[in-house]
Amino acid sequence: AQKVTQAQTEISVVEKEDVTLDCVYETRDTTYYLFWYKQPPSGELVFLIRRNSFDEQNEISGRYSWNFQKSTSSFNFTITASQVVDSAVYFCALSAVDSNYQLIWGAGTKLIIKP
Amino acid sequence: ETGVTQTPRHLVMGMTNKKSLKCEQHLGHNAMYWYKQSAKKPLELMFVYSLEERVENNSVPSRFSPECPNSSHLFLHLHTLQPEDSALYLCASSPDGGLGNSPLHFGNGTRLTVT
Repeated sequence: AQKVTQAQTEISVVEKEDVTLDCVYETRDTTYYLFWYKQPPSGELVFLIRRNSFDEQNEISGRYSWNFQKSTSSFNFTITASQVVDSAVYFCALSAVDSNYQLIWGAGTKLIIKP
Repeated sequence: ETGVTQTPRHLVMGMTNKKSLKCEQHLGHNAMYWYKQSAKKPLELMFVYSLEERVENNSVPSRFSPECPNSSHLFLHLHTLQPEDSALYLCASSPDGGLGNSPLHFGNGTRLTVT
C-alpha cells in the first residue's frame, strides 16, 4: 500500500524563524516521485518541487530547501527565515507505478507565521 | 488570461438543485482533473480526463457528472447533492495525456455549500 504521512497538523512560528515540515512516505515501488505543493488562503495549490526516487540530492531554492532521504523514507521541507507570506497549508504527495501514478496526498500541514 | 480558471468561486445550493462547476485552462495541457477537498481529509481525486476521454473515475457517486467537451474545458454537473458533499472542488491540469508525473496546475477552487 502507498501512503503519505504528514504528522504535523499545524505549526506556528514567529517570523524569521526556520521551520521544517515533515513528510514520510510508504511505497514498494523502486520508481516513484515525490512532490510538495503550497495552498495559500486563496485556495489554489501551487507546485513547489518534484523529486524522483533516483535523485537523492538535496535541493535549495532561495529560502526553501528539501531533504530527501530514502533510508528513512522521508522528504522534508525547510523554510529558512520564514515570512508571513509563507503562511499556508503545505501538502506532500507521492506517485508511483503501483498506483498507476495517481497522486497519493498527505493530509497537509498548516503553517502559521506570526509577525 | 493564463493558468486554470474556475467559476463560480462560491456556490450555495439546495439538495434538489442542479448546478454546474466550470473549469478552463489556458496552458495547452492535455489532461484535466477534478479533486474534492474536505476539511481534515486528504485531497480526493474524482475524475481525470486525457485528451477529452475519461481515464479515471474513482467511484464517485452518480450525482456528480463530469463533462469534457474539449481539452481546455471541464465541467462538473451537480444534482441532488447531500450536505456531506459540501467541500472545496478543485480543478487541475497537466501536460501529460493521462496520469503522468508532471506537476499539476490548480485553479482557485469552487467552495460548495449544500443546504
